[in-house]
Amino acid sequence: AQSVSQHNHHVILSEAASLELGCNYSYGGTVNLFWYVQYPGQHLQLLLKYFSGDPLVKGIKGFEAEFIKSKFSFNLRKPSVQWSDTAEYFCAVNPYTGFQKLVFGTGTRLLVSP
Amino acid sequence: EPEVTQTPSHQVTQMGQEVILRCVPISNHLYFYWYRQILGQKVEFLVSFYNNEISEKSEIFDDQFSVERPDGSNFTLKIRSTKLEDSAMYFCASTQRESIEEQFFGPGTRLTVL
Repeated sequence: AQSVSQHNHHVILSEAASLELGCNYSYGGTVNLFWYVQYPGQHLQLLLKYFSGDPLVKGIKGFEAEFIKSKFSFNLRKPSVQWSDTAEYFCAVNPYTGFQKLVFGTGTRLLVSP
Repeated sequence: EPEVTQTPSHQVTQMGQEVILRCVPISNHLYFYWYRQILGQKVEFLVSFYNNEISEKSEIFDDQFSVERPDGSNFTLKIRSTKLEDSAMYFCASTQRESIEEQFFGPGTRLTVL
């Protein structure tokens, strides 16, 4: 079945540690890829997106993600996390059926300890 | 900065009752969406809406659900006869154009069905 998988459900890091969150999708053809973040008590916000071009995309707050087409992956990275990065992170795919339906992964809850 | 708003933030209802969840999309946006997130599960697409018509809906969006844009600002989701399994966080989102871009999400309405 077509789906989006996030491998890590809970991640705990210390400040200044590096972060990589995995995302794989099983859709064929053209897809558009997103990472959203949900800080405690807040709504979903876009971190970054990939539509085409350079497979390494940079987003807000020092986050970046790399699209690897051969691996159907779109992993999120940050070289040095901060306590304020504590949040839930969602990978999402738009299968490009003509409308902007987003298919989300299960989310990864990140806790950064000071 | 314009944002999507949703009311109420929390709705408690008895099984079998009708509920209407309200959303005010960003004013110049034309495409509207509802998603839901059952506690501990992924965010799931329910329906997309454009030009006063449903453009796409998921298999979750059965005859118990309906959407409406009753005036120029509100976008509503109605559940006719709520079931226990309808308990979830419901998110509204909007975009300005059909082309792939960021969906702006509201803060969500937590629906609890007793």
